[in-house]
Amino acid sequence: GDSVTQMEGPVTLSEEAFLTINCTYTATGYPSLFWYVQYPGEGLQLLLKATKADDKGSNKGFEATYRKETTSFHLEKGSVQVSDSAVYFCALSDRNNDMRFGAGTRLTVKP
Amino acid sequence: EPEVTQTPSHQVTQMGQEVILRCVPISNHLYFYWYRQILGQKVEFLVSFYNNEISEKSEIFDDQFSVERPDGSNFTLKIRSTKLEDSAMYFCASREQTSGNTIYFGEGSWLTVV
Repeated sequence: GDSVTQMEGPVTLSEEAFLTINCTYTATGYPSLFWYVQYPGEGLQLLLKATKADDKGSNKGFEATYRKETTSFHLEKGSVQVSDSAVYFCALSDRNNDMRFGAGTRLTVKP
Repeated sequence: EPEVTQTPSHQVTQMGQEVILRCVPISNHLYFYWYRQILGQKVEFLVSFYNNEISEKSEIFDDQFSVERPDGSNFTLKIRSTKLEDSAMYFCASREQTSGNTIYFGEGSWLTVV
């Protein structure tokens, strides 16, 4: 079935460092791809999404590009802040429009 | 901005007891979901619900679980005879039929079975 594999954490960075969290997917058809973020003690929030190949989703300085040729949707941010510390989940929406999540990557940003 | 709301935010229950987790999806949404996240693990799909019936369920969603939309606003998850391994964060989510396939999540209900 459709699935998502993302980079295992935890990831620890200093403030203003460059962030990449890798995500690859396996799917039949053409899924939509998402990044969700879970801040400490909170629920899941949609960070960004892309619905077709070569689309770039962006929000709050984060970006991810839907790469069909490499079946990837890597999350990037040029300069992370302490407030970006959270767990990041890559996800895809399958043929039934149901969401499948990766295992999550915990990011800690130190001042 | 409209949001999915869940109650309770935390619940502690004894093993073997029944638990009902409640959710109020976004009002014009037509698809409803429950997901589960065991502490430190991935978010797992439990069940999807549309047009007053289950449209898909995972292997986790066995006879111990049931869902219901008792009125026009609530969407509930019932867990009968809870087990220790049911301890998890349970997320409700909903989706509007015509807005593509973005699913909006509630803040979760943390269930601890002791």
